[in-house]
Amino acid sequence: KAGVTQTPRYLIKTRGQQVTLSCSPISGHRSVSWYQQTPGQGLQFLFEYFSETQRNKGNFPGRFSGRQFSNSRSEMNVSTLELGDSALYLCASSFTGFRRPKGPEAFFGQGTRLTVV
Amino acid sequence: GIQVEQSPPDLILQEGANSTLRCNFSDSVNNLQWFHQNPWGQLINLFYIPSGTKQNGRLSATTVATERYSLLYISSSQTTDSGVYFCAVENNAGNMLTFGGGTRLMVKP
Repeated sequence: KAGVTQTPRYLIKTRGQQVTLSCSPISGHRSVSWYQQTPGQGLQFLFEYFSETQRNKGNFPGRFSGRQFSNSRSEMNVSTLELGDSALYLCASSFTGFRRPKGPEAFFGQGTRLTVV
Repeated sequence: GIQVEQSPPDLILQEGANSTLRCNFSDSVNNLQWFHQNPWGQLINLFYIPSGTKQNGRLSATTVATERYSLLYISSSQTTDSGVYFCAVENNAGNMLTFGGGTRLMVKP
């Protein structure tokens, strides 16, 4: 069973540009979450999608956005890149229904390392 | 929001030694997971343990949900155990994991 796949693995962009990252969840998983990891702030939640709907959003500016497609694949977009956006972006998928008594186990991809110059 | 604290922040062990990593959280949780981050950045699942005790080889974990802490035990450590260990929790607000700051473990041969 394939794991969570993130593309690309590495990316170098210039300040002011925009970038799109992709995440394909484990087959059958409908929830996809995104996290940003930086040395200073650690791992922080960006947003979560389920059935093409954003269910939760972290404390990030509007330059960070995402979407989910009908096949559960997700993309996140960062517009007007800043140097501080340089980070490892991790995607997680989980099997979850509309009602869940216990939080489901999350599985992470290998991440996309974004460098903004 | 929920707060997650891990201790110690750094740990250096000699190969073969045992260690205990701790994770404290500030509210009741629906989910608690331990991860090991490999040198390439991927978070490897170690345990899904919102409560109780689990063991997997040389690793075991215990979560005491009523007292809001979890422990990760590493026995007979090996150099390949080196890396950063994260605890992450999800509370009733749901749909997101809150991570602790991690414990950076170095196992020396």
